[in-house]
Amino acid sequence: GQQVQQSPASLVLQEGENAELQCNFSSTATQLQWFYQSPGGSLVSLLSNPSGTKHTGRLTSTTVTKERRSSLHISSSQTTDSGTYLCAIDEMSNYNVLYFGSGTKLTVEP
Amino acid sequence: GALVYQYPRRTICKSGTSMRMECQAVGFQATSVAWYRQSPQKTFELIALSTVNSAIKYEQNFTQEKFPISHPNLSFSSMTVLNAYLEDRGLYLCGAGTNTEVFFGKGTRLTVV
Repeated sequence: GQQVQQSPASLVLQEGENAELQCNFSSTATQLQWFYQSPGGSLVSLLSNPSGTKHTGRLTSTTVTKERRSSLHISSSQTTDSGTYLCAIDEMSNYNVLYFGSGTKLTVEP
Repeated sequence: GALVYQYPRRTICKSGTSMRMECQAVGFQATSVAWYRQSPQKTFELIALSTVNSAIKYEQNFTQEKFPISHPNLSFSSMTVLNAYLEDRGLYLCGAGTNTEVFFGKGTRLTVV
């Protein structure tokens, strides 16, 4: 199946700083989603971005499909952004199944 | 819009008992439903994929005998964890797909005592 690598594994920022999270994957994909998992475990879908650049609020995702990588930029981080960010990607031969990375644990300190 | 509801959101069961969780697709037809599990300190791993008009495909380390799945129509799926033990605890996630996009529920958190 698809291999998904996320970096960094963890990141500590001061409030107001920007965060850049990376996701690399091993084979061509048609779907890519970024998720946020709160410290309590709740999962929220942030955005779907299989290619190009997409913005929502303080989040910007850029996916370069042919290079098999995606990034999630969080601007002006807030303490409430703390949690784990997961990217999940499908595999062209196995649509509707997404493979999850191990996540980036973000801690935003006041 | 497309939504996926999972229930219960949280459940506790005694070791050795079984627990059923459900996944409801609203606003779209779920031609496929994938079930995932996130064990403590780990990421999500695929349990099985159920596609309409096809047999349910289980991943290695997961079996129908342990995790029977029902997918009777395009809006509903259920999965049961039979004889749950400590290693079965975690967050169970349902991803319902339309062939072009997958929508996720918020998961069912299973605690085994």
